[in-house]
Amino acid sequence: EVQLVESGGGFVQPGGSLRLSCAVSGLRFSDSHMNWVRQTPGRGLEWVSYIGAGYNIYYGDSVRGRFTISRDNAKNSVYLQMNSLRDDDTAVYYCAGDLDWSFNNWGQGTLVTVSS
Amino acid sequence: QSALTQPASVSESPGQSITISCTGAATDIGGYDRVSWYQQFPGKAPKLLISEVNKRPSDVSDRFSGSKSGNTASLTISGLQAEDEADYYCCSFAGPFTWVFGGGTKLTVL
Repeated sequence: EVQLVESGGGFVQPGGSLRLSCAVSGLRFSDSHMNWVRQTPGRGLEWVSYIGAGYNIYYGDSVRGRFTISRDNAKNSVYLQMNSLRDDDTAVYYCAGDLDWSFNNWGQGTLVTVSS
Repeated sequence: QSALTQPASVSESPGQSITISCTGAATDIGGYDRVSWYQQFPGKAPKLLISEVNKRPSDVSDRFSGSKSGNTASLTISGLQAEDEADYYCCSFAGPFTWVFGGGTKLTVL
């Protein structure tokens, strides 16, 4: 069974930082392409970032320059370092594996709240 | 990266069929056969229903089907059941290695 477990969410003030982690099991992680997707009540689902099995990296316009995605194949984990956080970064952040250009495995999500 | 356009809500009676539309642009839906659909229940993570416009994972009922014409994709649910009441999201690859989602559609089974 494939499992993705996010952690690291919490409450942070505007301008602050958080690091999210996603531990993956049940698949060949080193061959997997991984993403972060976030969800807010007002804006629905929003793709945030991608890191391929070959370590190529892409970001959405709203987070580029502030967020950094990384992976550690030895730990079967993917990370999202979030800096210069803003109120509108408040969301549930999901880790998602992608296959055939779609997100076929999702974690349970971790809530990030940015507020003063 | 503009969001794809979906109706905010749809409703239909049990046993009937319903189609949810998802409109994008030539730079996303129209440019790639890489549209996916997701079902989400309250408090749960999204679940993949359809990939690459019309491919269904083995664990998804054949009552769910997808299609695409031009810049618009569609999800059709046939033989509606009460358990289908959920939120549905479309998503398209918008290259290179970026994705855009729709705003979501709340399905009510009357």
